[in-house]
Amino acid sequence: GDSVTQMEGPVTLSEEAFLTINCTYTATGYPSLFWYVQYPGEGLQLLLKATKADDKGSNKGFEATYRKETTSFHLEKGSVQVSDSAVYFCALRLAGSARQLTFGSGTQLTVLP
Amino acid sequence: DAGVTQSPTHLIKTRGQQVTLRCSPKSGHDTVSWYQQALGQGPQFIFQYYEEEERQRGNFPDRFSGHQFPNYSSELNVNALLLGDSALYLCASSLQGATTGELFFGEGSRLTVL
Repeated sequence: GDSVTQMEGPVTLSEEAFLTINCTYTATGYPSLFWYVQYPGEGLQLLLKATKADDKGSNKGFEATYRKETTSFHLEKGSVQVSDSAVYFCALRLAGSARQLTFGSGTQLTVLP
Repeated sequence: DAGVTQSPTHLIKTRGQQVTLRCSPKSGHDTVSWYQQALGQGPQFIFQYYEEEERQRGNFPDRFSGHQFPNYSSELNVNALLLGDSALYLCASSLQGATTGELFFGEGSRLTVL
């Protein structure tokens, strides 16, 4: 079945460090790919997305590129801030399943000042 | 502009009981989806409602049922509660005709089954 695998956390970084959170997927067809973020005490928020191969999604300094050949969608940021501390979820959506997302297990990121 | 609101925020039930969770979608949205998020896991899709009908369903037993009202708000009902039903239940709303299909999530209702 369709699935998303994320690197295990938690991840702890110092402010201004480089961030990579790995995400790979298994899916039939060509899914859309997403990164959601969950800040403490808040609901899930869409961070960025990509709908086809080689698309790059970006937002708030975060980037991820849809790599069909490696079935990956790794999240990167060049310089993290304390305010980036949150749980990050990679997710996929199959064509025709408009509101059904398949999520990874999440990666807890803590950024220390 | 109110976002997605859910109630109650926390509740405790015992095995065998029934629970109803409520969701009001973001203003202007007509579609509601429900997700279950177990501790340390990602959310899992339960079902989606549009035009007061269940449109899609994930791999959840019939103990999980729902309803959507004419004002687009929704309820999630779980019967015969099991310990394994303890989780954060998330509601997400969207606009059916929107090309982006972005989901907006509420903060969730945390259910503990004893």
